[in-house]
Amino acid sequence: LAKTTQPISMDSYEGQEVNITCSHNNIATNDYITWYQQFPSQGPRFIIQGYKTKVTNEVASLFIPADRKSSTLSLPRVSLSDTAVYYCLVGPSREYGNKLVFGAGTILRVKS
Amino acid sequence: DAGITQSPRYKITETGRQVTLMCHQTWSHSYMFWYRQDLGHGLRLIYYSAAADITDKGEVPDGYVVSRSKTENFPLTLESATRSQTSVYFCASKAAGQGQIDEQYFGPGTRLTVT
Repeated sequence: LAKTTQPISMDSYEGQEVNITCSHNNIATNDYITWYQQFPSQGPRFIIQGYKTKVTNEVASLFIPADRKSSTLSLPRVSLSDTAVYYCLVGPSREYGNKLVFGAGTILRVKS
Repeated sequence: DAGITQSPRYKITETGRQVTLMCHQTWSHSYMFWYRQDLGHGLRLIYYSAAADITDKGEVPDGYVVSRSKTENFPLTLESATRSQTSVYFCASKAAGQGQIDEQYFGPGTRLTVT
């Protein structure tokens, strides 16, 4: 299983762009990179998933370099409501999902 | 209502009692999962199911039993509850192999306290 390493916490201010980097040095060829967001007292919510290069949706962008040993979740112009825990997961997309391991995540605090 | 629901949302039980947590989804998703989340930790997979009557162990299955007789339901049973099973339990589901995205949908969680 690919182990992921991400910062324990980050602070930002409203309106800023936030970049959260995740390290996954032993990512396998068939692994995808997925990010989830979790608010207090709620279940996690899918944000974005990618395999290589760049993926963008209405919420975030995901940057994956050519060697795929790291990835960066980019949140544009954060607001107070983006305060949450962000999880980086690495695993094969087509399998049961048992190989998805949620680490401790990154606590993002957005301040006014 | 469509979606994924869990019941009860809160439960207090005593050590040694059997307790069942319910999970129901209306999307007919093939896969369902049970996770537990302890204070200050990420989610840990307990059991998962790829389809009705197909279940398998996750990372922390000891002390738990699951069944899946119907696609939409995935109950989790603690056969003899212990204090170490005090946690927040999340159920999730996902569709099978749809395109590039592999998204799990999580329920609201059940907060279980074992006294």
